[in-house]
Amino acid sequence: GQQVMQIPQYQHVQEGEDFTTYCNSSTTLSNIQWYKQRPGGHPVFLIQLVKSGEVKKQKRLTFQFGEAKKNSSLHITATQTTDVGTYFCAGGYGNKLVFGAGTILRVKS
Amino acid sequence: NAGVTQTPKFQVLKTGQSMTLQCAQDMNHEYMSWYRQDPGMGLRLIHYSVGAGITDQGEVPNGYNVSRSTTEDFPLRLLSAAPSQTSVYFCATRLRAETYEQYFGPGTRLTVT
Repeated sequence: GQQVMQIPQYQHVQEGEDFTTYCNSSTTLSNIQWYKQRPGGHPVFLIQLVKSGEVKKQKRLTFQFGEAKKNSSLHITATQTTDVGTYFCAGGYGNKLVFGAGTILRVKS
Repeated sequence: NAGVTQTPKFQVLKTGQSMTLQCAQDMNHEYMSWYRQDPGMGLRLIHYSVGAGITDQGEVPNGYNVSRSTTEDFPLRLLSAAPSQTSVYFCATRLRAETYEQYFGPGTRLTVT
């Protein structure tokens, strides 16, 4: 079945450092979504990428979708303590959405 | 406009007991789904519904039943609780079956002893 691999599982960074999480699928995705879950909270939608090679920015967050539509990344520039949480990618396979295991981000101030 | 609501927030069950987790949405979304979240395993799809009267199994359906008699409600039933069902359960909705953004409820934390 379809699987989305996400790395790393954990990342501890010093406040002000950059952070990147990566997702990879063995088969072509129709789209990819990113979600953020704060500790004790529920996943909240951040963005959806659809086109090959697409890059979207939201303030300090940069999202990329690979040319082959099999991988994606989320990069946070100059992390802040408000960025803590778990970041999930979710790969779209037609109508099916498959979540990666998530990357837990901790920020040391 | 409450979005997606779930009850209860917390529940403790004994092995073998049954219960229903409630999910309701007021966004007129066609698609509703249930996920369980376990440490290190992300969100796994239990059951989903593409519209009233239509349900289907997800990745981990065993031990759970669902029904969708109205657009608004999508209850999840645990038939005979087992310790392996200790988890956080999220209901999620989206406009249609096509992969639009999903809206998650606040979750139900279930412990089975």
